[in-house]
Amino acid sequence: KQEVTQIPAALSVPEGENLVLNCSFTDSAIYNLQWFRQDPGKGLTSLLLIQSSQREQTSGRLNASLDKSSGRSTLYIAASQPGDSATYLCAVLTSGTYKYIFGTGTRLKVLA
Amino acid sequence: GAVVSQHPSRVICKSGTSVKIECRSLDFQATTMFWYRQFPKQSLMLMATSNEGSKATYEQGVEKDKFLINHASLTLSTLTVTSAHPEDSSFYICSANLADTGELFFGEGSRLTVL
Repeated sequence: KQEVTQIPAALSVPEGENLVLNCSFTDSAIYNLQWFRQDPGKGLTSLLLIQSSQREQTSGRLNASLDKSSGRSTLYIAASQPGDSATYLCAVLTSGTYKYIFGTGTRLKVLA
Repeated sequence: GAVVSQHPSRVICKSGTSVKIECRSLDFQATTMFWYRQFPKQSLMLMATSNEGSKATYEQGVEKDKFLINHASLTLSTLTVTSAHPEDSSFYICSANLADTGELFFGEGSRLTVL
């Protein structure tokens, strides 16, 4: 059974700092991995999708990497801004299933 | 990215009544949609998978008669909370994925409060 864990659970950083969020999964047979952000009381916004054959994806100040063999993904945020404050979730689609398993999330607060 | 719209965003109802939440894929067809429930400061809990033209697949512990799901077209799925009770108060979110990439897109969520 796929399990997805995110560390740290919460993070508070000063504006401008580069930071890394971690996502671990127990079953490496995945179809893809996706990173989302969620603002309070809102739905989830897709940030980056990494297919199982890819090692990383970039969008603006965001870079996500994927290491299937070790069951890890990282989301790198460069030059963080107060507007980046949100909860970040990773989700894994395991091969042969249709279910996306979500991590527990990392609550990020960027201080001005 | 693709757009998924959810309505209503907020609903307040009396105990014992039923509430319907709609989830629409606006610019793509979705044979499968997913319904989640989210408690405060917790991650998403998958309730059921909605399949166009067939019965929904419910997760263990989710009452089928309580949470009725209908997926009548390739762009619309509905979740009806029947005979709502205060413990049903929660944030409900739907999602759909693109068939080619598997990328998942979410609706804005619906906050249900049962008095």
